[in-house]
Amino acid sequence: DAKTTQPPSMDCAEGRAANLPCNHSTISGNEYVYWYRQIHSQGPQYIIHGLKNNETNEMASLIITEDRKSSTLILPHATLRDTAVYYCIVAPIVIQGAQKLVFGQGTRLTINP
Amino acid sequence: DTGVSQNPRHKITKRGQNVTFRCDPISEHNRLYWYRQTLGQGPEFLTYFQNEAQLEKSRLLSDRFSAERPKGSFSTLEIQRTEQGDSAMYLCASSPLGVRYNEQFFGPGTRLTVL
Repeated sequence: DAKTTQPPSMDCAEGRAANLPCNHSTISGNEYVYWYRQIHSQGPQYIIHGLKNNETNEMASLIITEDRKSSTLILPHATLRDTAVYYCIVAPIVIQGAQKLVFGQGTRLTINP
Repeated sequence: DTGVSQNPRHKITKRGQNVTFRCDPISEHNRLYWYRQTLGQGPEFLTYFQNEAQLEKSRLLSDRFSAERPKGSFSTLEIQRTEQGDSAMYLCASSPLGVRYNEQFFGPGTRLTVL
């Protein structure tokens, strides 16, 4: 079972910031928070991951609370192409062997013009 | 295009037939994963290869399923005696070994429909 809880759907206006919440209250000390998204009829795409510090890359920002029990993915200027299902996953970094990602049902984000 | 490729993209078969899917990972990626995704659900882990060795298999992978990765390059997933419950999207992902590289790169998937 997935160790994360996400709202099933969200809407956001084009050009605005999309803030996607995720609860992971049972996260372990060695587990990272990963975000992937899946655009319709495509495979999932990695977005970002973090341990306890906030992270930013060219796609998004990840804000993790100090107690690590929740996080927020921020798409700063959402476009129509950001419409997708967003998955929040907790998983350890694995040096050898499989990193089995456990996907929940994710949040279906719809960007409206 | 240097991403993960999967073939075929779509497969329709009759119950009881055997099917085989192919995955070509990103060159030099040691790790290869297969996942299955049913409608409205997130992907579920099926099996993992590190180079040519199949190191992990999920309970979801019944004895009708077999996967191979000869020479540690491309991989095949075969389903024998298909059932309607096998209808799903089969996704392949690859990643390099090493601490920094846990990002998994997914292919577009093969959608299987069993009639």
